[in-house]
Amino acid sequence: EVQLIESGGAVVQPGGSLRVSCEFSGFHDNEYAMHWVRQAPGRGLEWISGVGWDGGRKAYADSVKGRFSLSKDNSKNALYLQMNNLRPEDAALYYCAKGARKFYFENSDYDLWGQGTLVSVSS
Amino acid sequence: QSVLTQPPSASGTPGQRVTISCSGGGSNIGDNPVHWYQHLPGTAPKLLIYTNSQRPSGVPDRFSDSKSGTSASLAISGLQSEDEAIYYCAAWDDSLKGVIFGGGTKLTVL
Repeated sequence: EVQLIESGGAVVQPGGSLRVSCEFSGFHDNEYAMHWVRQAPGRGLEWISGVGWDGGRKAYADSVKGRFSLSKDNSKNALYLQMNNLRPEDAALYYCAKGARKFYFENSDYDLWGQGTLVSVSS
Repeated sequence: QSVLTQPPSASGTPGQRVTISCSGGGSNIGDNPVHWYQHLPGTAPKLLIYTNSQRPSGVPDRFSDSKSGTSASLAISGLQSEDEAIYYCAAWDDSLKGVIFGGGTKLTVL
């Protein structure tokens, strides 16, 4: 079955760290870029990071650059988002999403999404 | 603040045709494909339209898109009650070197 399953969401204090994961199955992960998109309560969708099909090229939104780090482990069919120095404005539902086109990084077309993992930042 | 501008709301009656606009700039819409999503509360966003106006399997042909210069639009014909959702446009931005989403348009079927 083709699916993405996020996990690792939690309540974290401001300044804290958290790693969320995305396990994927049903497709060749070394052919598609993978991205993270979040939605804060009452807000719209916000792209925050993406990694190329081979784990090489990476990009981050300015709002998380220097604090978040994305990695991919093809052997485990998993994508990880390490989030450091968390701020209250990072509180959101974090979605993992698969690029629709093979061997293409600049995706804004995501044809497969997980159900999201919730991150809360509060003291 | 979104770099892609969408109207916050739109509405129509069943059977009508509605359009949702998405305005950007040369580094995003002007230079890259625009994609559209439908988002229902409590569910993951759903890709409606992707490169070259293609629709994923299962998306009805009532949904179509267009693009001119630095603006794009989504059209929904034969409006149905189940179309009530929030719609987002998205595009890669060459200057930001990342993806930008519009602020979303809440569609109400009256």
